[in-house]
Amino acid sequence: QQQVKQSPQSLIVQKGGISIINCAYENTAFDYFPWYQQFPGKGPALLIAIRPDVSEKKEGRFTISFNKSAKQFSLHIMDSQPGDSATYFCAATVLRENFVFGPGTRLSVLP
Amino acid sequence: DGGITQSPKYLFRKEGQNVTLSCEQNLNHDAMYWYRQDPGQGLRLIYYSQIVNDFQKGDIAEGYSVSREKKESFPLTVTSAQKNPTAFYLCASSPLAGVGGELFFGEGSRLTVL
Repeated sequence: QQQVKQSPQSLIVQKGGISIINCAYENTAFDYFPWYQQFPGKGPALLIAIRPDVSEKKEGRFTISFNKSAKQFSLHIMDSQPGDSATYFCAATVLRENFVFGPGTRLSVLP
Repeated sequence: DGGITQSPKYLFRKEGQNVTLSCEQNLNHDAMYWYRQDPGQGLRLIYYSQIVNDFQKGDIAEGYSVSREKKESFPLTVTSAQKNPTAFYLCASSPLAGVGGELFFGEGSRLTVL
């Protein structure tokens, strides 16, 4: 119930391509779904987040798509750049307590 | 600058020794958290605290201990009872426990047991 599944485990994309990372959850009580970006040797940083009453949120090249009925959400990175190479974590939380994280996706964007 | 400071960044420990990781925040956040990160396993919650002098166990609290004597400080002790302590440890804080608030992370402490 508390688990958040994430795929793929790793992803290689050419510069300018679209990166897509998918997450799925079971607990329908989750009310907030953030994505975190982590560079090697650093702590994660909030990238973008969405609430379940919204189907899509876009910030620059980053878009979250949310499918409440399927209990799935995904991160799309448009025009991927080498500087986007990092590990991405999806997460879910109820009232922003006890954030539950997915296992992470290591993204490599080739120049 | 406001933020979360973790120290040390790298730490080596012999088996059987306790070690304490420091976490200090000057963001005036109410809640603080400790996560453990292992390759391919994401972030797992060790302990969290929503108020001074109070803290709760997370999913993997065994072998760890914490204290919250000051709002800005939340040190984590990795005890000799922790069977596999080699990992990357992340401290985080959020501005308001229970309602609202994003997680802000420190830069982590990498512990290696020799």
